[in-house]
Amino acid sequence: SQKIEQNSEALNIQEGKTATLTCNYTNYSPAYLQWYRQDPGRGPVFLLLIRENEKEKRKERLKVTFDTTLKQSLFHITASQPADSATYLCALKRVGNNRLAFGKGNQVVVIP
Amino acid sequence: EAQVTQNPRYLITVTGKKLTVTCSQNMNHEYMSWYRQDPGLGLRQIYYSMNVEATDKGDVPEGYKVSRKEKRNFPLILESPSPNQTSLYFCASTRTGGVNEQFFGPGTRLTVL
Repeated sequence: SQKIEQNSEALNIQEGKTATLTCNYTNYSPAYLQWYRQDPGRGPVFLLLIRENEKEKRKERLKVTFDTTLKQSLFHITASQPADSATYLCALKRVGNNRLAFGKGNQVVVIP
Repeated sequence: EAQVTQNPRYLITVTGKKLTVTCSQNMNHEYMSWYRQDPGLGLRQIYYSMNVEATDKGDVPEGYKVSRKEKRNFPLILESPSPNQTSLYFCASTRTGGVNEQFFGPGTRLTVL
């Protein structure tokens, strides 16, 4: 069966350090992978997209890698700030249409 | 401002009382979708629509209906709500074709007693 796995345990990290989140998937052949940020009780907000033929993508303090051999994406927040505290979701596009399948999300808590 | 709006934002109702949650987007997006989010289960797709008069089931469609008569609107209908439909609901939209981010609404928190 198809699965998208993110760590269910919250990541507690000291301000200024780099937070790294993992998204693993099985039985998908994604054309691309997206990362979203979600604050409590609010809708997810798009952050970054990486295509299957791209190894790395950056946006300000965010970096995403995509390894289709390992079936894994890593999401990095460098120089983390308390305002980065949120839940981060990875999402894979299903083949054939615009449907996205989401992981359950990984919470990040940045400690001042 | 480009946005997806949902109404109501909060709703408490009783079992069996039909309700509709509205969703509207002002970005001229073809694709719209409904998700529900429950603790430990993540975001699960209920229904989606590729364009006007084109709707299809997602992963958890039981107990829900949708319609897409206009491009901007995609209401979610619960004909006979049950307590297991208590959840946080999100509407989302995006352009079709190519690689596109989804824009999410602010969410509707529904409680069915």
